Amino acid sequence: AQKVTQAQTEISVVEKEDVTLDCVYETRDTTYYLFWYKQPPSGELVFLIRRNSFDEQNEISGRYSWNFQKSTSSFNFTITASQVVDSAVYFCALSEANEGTYKYIFGTGTRLKVLA
Amino acid sequence: EAGVTQSPTHLIKTRGQQATLRCSPISGHTSVYWYQQALGLGLQFLLWYDEGEERNRGNFPPRFSGRQFPNYSSELNVNALELEDSALYLCASSLKTGKTVAFFGQGTRLTVV
Repeated sequence: AQKVTQAQTEISVVEKEDVTLDCVYETRDTTYYLFWYKQPPSGELVFLIRRNSFDEQNEISGRYSWNFQKSTSSFNFTITASQVVDSAVYFCALSEANEGTYKYIFGTGTRLKVLA
Repeated sequence: EAGVTQSPTHLIKTRGQQATLRCSPISGHTSVYWYQQALGLGLQFLLWYDEGEERNRGNFPPRFSGRQFPNYSSELNVNALELEDSALYLCASSLKTGKTVAFFGQGTRLTVV
C-alpha cells in the first residue's frame, strides 16, 4: 500500500538556521512521483517541487534543496538560512504514474516555525 | 493564467443543512480533486473527478458527493451537515493524475454550528 510518513509534527528554529524536513514513503510501484507543498497560514497549498522515481539527482533552488534517496525511500527537504516567511506547514506527497486511478497520497505535514 | 479558484471562501451552516462548494480548475485541466483538512490535521482525500466522471472517492460517507461539469468545474455537496464537517475544503486540479502536478485553490472554510 502507498503511504507517506512525515514523522516531525512540528519544528521550531531560529531565523538563519538550517532545517531539514523528513519524508519517508512506501510504494510497490517502480514508477512514481514525489512532491513537496507548502501551506502558509492563508491555507492554499503551494507547489514546491516534483521528482520522478528515475531521477535521484538532488536539486537546489535558492535556499531550498531536496535529497531523494530510493535506497531509504526518503525525499527530504532542507531550507538553508531559514526566514520567518518560511513558517508554514509543509506536506510531502506521493503519486503513482498509472493513469486511471487516484494516486496523490499526502503525509500528515510538518509545521515549521521560524522565530525571529 | 488564472489558478484554481474556489467559492465561497467562507461558509457557515447549521447542523443538518446542506453545503455546496465550488471549484474552477486551471484552464486545460481535466482532473479535479477534493480534500478535507480538519483543523490541525492533514489532507484527507474526498473525491477525484476526471472528464466528468467520478473516478475515485475516499473513506467518507455518501452524504459527501459532488459532480464535474462539462467545463470541468466541480461542485462538492455535503448533506446533513454535522459539527465534525467543519474544516477547510481544498480543491486541486491537474492535467492527468499521477504524472502532473496538482495545483490547489485557496480553499473553502466550512463552519458548522
